[in-house]
Amino acid sequence: DSGVTQTPKHLITATGQRVTLRCSPRSGDLSVYWYQQSLDQGLQFLIQYYNGEERAKGNILERFSAQQFPDLHSELNLSSLELGDSALYFCASSAPVQPSPFYGYTFGSGTRLTVV
Amino acid sequence: QKEVEQDPGPLSVPEGAIVSLNCTYSNSAFQYFMWYRQYSRKGPELLMYTYSSGNKEDGRFTAQVDKSSKYISLFIRDSQPSDSATYLCAMSQSATGANSKLTFGKGITLSVRP
Repeated sequence: DSGVTQTPKHLITATGQRVTLRCSPRSGDLSVYWYQQSLDQGLQFLIQYYNGEERAKGNILERFSAQQFPDLHSELNLSSLELGDSALYFCASSAPVQPSPFYGYTFGSGTRLTVV
Repeated sequence: QKEVEQDPGPLSVPEGAIVSLNCTYSNSAFQYFMWYRQYSRKGPELLMYTYSSGNKEDGRFTAQVDKSSKYISLFIRDSQPSDSATYLCAMSQSATGANSKLTFGKGITLSVRP
C-alpha cells in the first residue's frame, strides 16, 4: 500500500456520462497531481493542486475538472465522456509540510475507466 | 520533438544480465530525475531519484544523470525475473510548486527470462 488511495478501482460507463474519481493523498502530503495513462500517449499530466489551490495545469480537457478539499482529498470530474477517454487515471501526492527532504512522488493504484 | 524520449522496447534479457535503460530530454530546466517501475495494472512505484547530475546507487540499481548531454540511465545488475515490469523515466523542474509536475517517458517493458 503506497499510502495514496484511489477509488473506485474500475469504472465502466457510457458515452456522454459524467464520473467522479477520488484520491486521498499520503498523510501529510499537500500536493495532489492527476495523470492519465493511455497506451499511445503514456503518462500525461492533467492538473496539480496544492493545499486546496490549483497550482498547475497540463493537457486537461475542458470537459474535465478537479478540486482539492480542505481535508486534502481530491476529486477529478470527467463529463460528456467519449470513447477516447478510456484510460488509467492516476493520482500522486508529494510535498509534505516543510522542512522536509524531497522524497519523490507517490502514486496510487489508479482508476481504470472504460467508456462504452 | 517530445520533451522526454525513451527507447520503446520491449526488452528481453536472461536472468543475471546487466540491463541498461536510457532516456533523453530536451528541457534544460529539469533538475529532478526519477525512475519508476510499473507492474501490470498497478501504479508507478518510485525506484530511484537523482537531483542534478551524478550517480546514485541502491542495491542492484544505479541511476546516472548527465545534464550536459541531457541523458539519464538506469542500470540493473544481476537482473531477476521479478524485475520484469515497465520502467518509466520521469523528470521535473522543481520539487515543489508549479514546476513540480512530472514529465514521463513512454516507458519500456522489460522481461527477464529465468
